[in-house]
Amino acid sequence: DVKVTQSSRYLVKRTGEKVFLECVQDMDHENMFWYRQDPGLGLRLIYFSYDVKMKEKGDIPEGYSVSREKKERFSLILESASTNQTSMYLCASSPGTGGPGELFFGEGSRLTVL
Amino acid sequence: AQTVTQSQPEMSVQEAETVTLSCTYDTSESDYYLFWYKQPPSRQMILVIRQEAYKQQNATENRFSVNFQKAAKSFSLKISDSQLGDAAMYFCAYRRIYGNKLVFGAGTILRVKS
Repeated sequence: DVKVTQSSRYLVKRTGEKVFLECVQDMDHENMFWYRQDPGLGLRLIYFSYDVKMKEKGDIPEGYSVSREKKERFSLILESASTNQTSMYLCASSPGTGGPGELFFGEGSRLTVL
Repeated sequence: AQTVTQSQPEMSVQEAETVTLSCTYDTSESDYYLFWYKQPPSRQMILVIRQEAYKQQNATENRFSVNFQKAAKSFSLKISDSQLGDAAMYFCAYRRIYGNKLVFGAGTILRVKS
């Protein structure tokens, strides 16, 4: 079975802390994504990566960075967490270009910043 | 930029009845993909159904079918014989043919009453 695993389901951090959200996929997918999910706003793309060490900004990249050192792993980094980054974060992966590009999602990481 | 609109924040349906969730989108492209994803409570998001815009025939997956109106840019999801397990948040999403990113709507919460 296809699997996308996010390292933490629930995190509580303090304002100003550095936060790492980790995501691993076992499907050998080229593409990996980080979305943020907020009520009434749906899913908004933060960053995505189409290859190792390659990344592109999504719609809301401010305050975030990413790292993809290995094909299976995609990390989201909050350099200095703020309360407005309290949200649900969803990681997803998909095969390379060509075809419908269905996304496979992890279970999500709910981050609370106090 | 492409946008996806789901105008129904919440819907309710009686078990065994039929419900239709609405989705409209805006694009200048002629070929693209459309998706419906389901997010059960505290569980990961999964693909329900997808439609290629160049195919005129509406997609069907068991109890789930779509009404794709390309000229109207409308993509509604019909769930027949609703079951308690259908209760979830449903997201409509759009992707360009040549691209990696999905654009999501705000979501519709579906409640199923027994």
